[in-house]
Amino acid sequence: DAGVIQSPRHEVTEMGQEVTLRCKPISGHNSLFWYRQTMMRGLELLIYFNNNVPIDDSGMPEDRFSAKMPNASFSTLKIQPSEPRDSAVYFCASSGRTGKEGNTEAFFGQGTRLTVV
Amino acid sequence: DAKTTQPPSMDCAEGRAANLPCNHSTISGNEYVYWYRQIHSQGPQYIIHGLKNNETNEMASLIITEDRKSSTLILPHATLRDTAVYYCIVSFHSSNTGKLIFGQGTTLQVKP
Repeated sequence: DAGVIQSPRHEVTEMGQEVTLRCKPISGHNSLFWYRQTMMRGLELLIYFNNNVPIDDSGMPEDRFSAKMPNASFSTLKIQPSEPRDSAVYFCASSGRTGKEGNTEAFFGQGTRLTVV
Repeated sequence: DAKTTQPPSMDCAEGRAANLPCNHSTISGNEYVYWYRQIHSQGPQYIIHGLKNNETNEMASLIITEDRKSSTLILPHATLRDTAVYYCIVSFHSSNTGKLIFGQGTTLQVKP
């Protein structure tokens, strides 16, 4: 398996523009998570989905952020309009049920480094 | 989720064992201890997890005290590639295993 795939790896955009980050989870996984990492705040959970349904979006910073999971193999995180303070590395992770013990670990993608100028 | 406390940084000589401590004094009975690490510019990577028994896998060993208020991650023979930030996380073992609350972690520097 190729693991969790995120695109693009790097994104530079101007303030006010719309940004869309993409994630393909590991096939068969039923949970998907979006995280953001900055020097100041570390790794923060933004939102997570279970079976394509958003379960908890309390970490989404503001209405400018939205996330969707139209099917089990694809998710997007959109920022509209983007601001310089949104500059960060955004990680997507997925996890899947593995027998009687349930889920055991989360697998993270390589991240998207977003720079808003 | 219970909060964890880790030293901000540690050094270890290459080839020696690295012992990374973690305090989680408010852990509840059904919360697991997870360890992840993040090598520079990469996504976090799962290492190991446990409930109350000591655990070992190909990467590391996890020692959990009897009262479960603290644990130690042991890398038996540290290499330069083990230089990373190590996160100790307490979480429920459920369908939301990826719902992780990361602290600041311990930056482990393995030196030649």
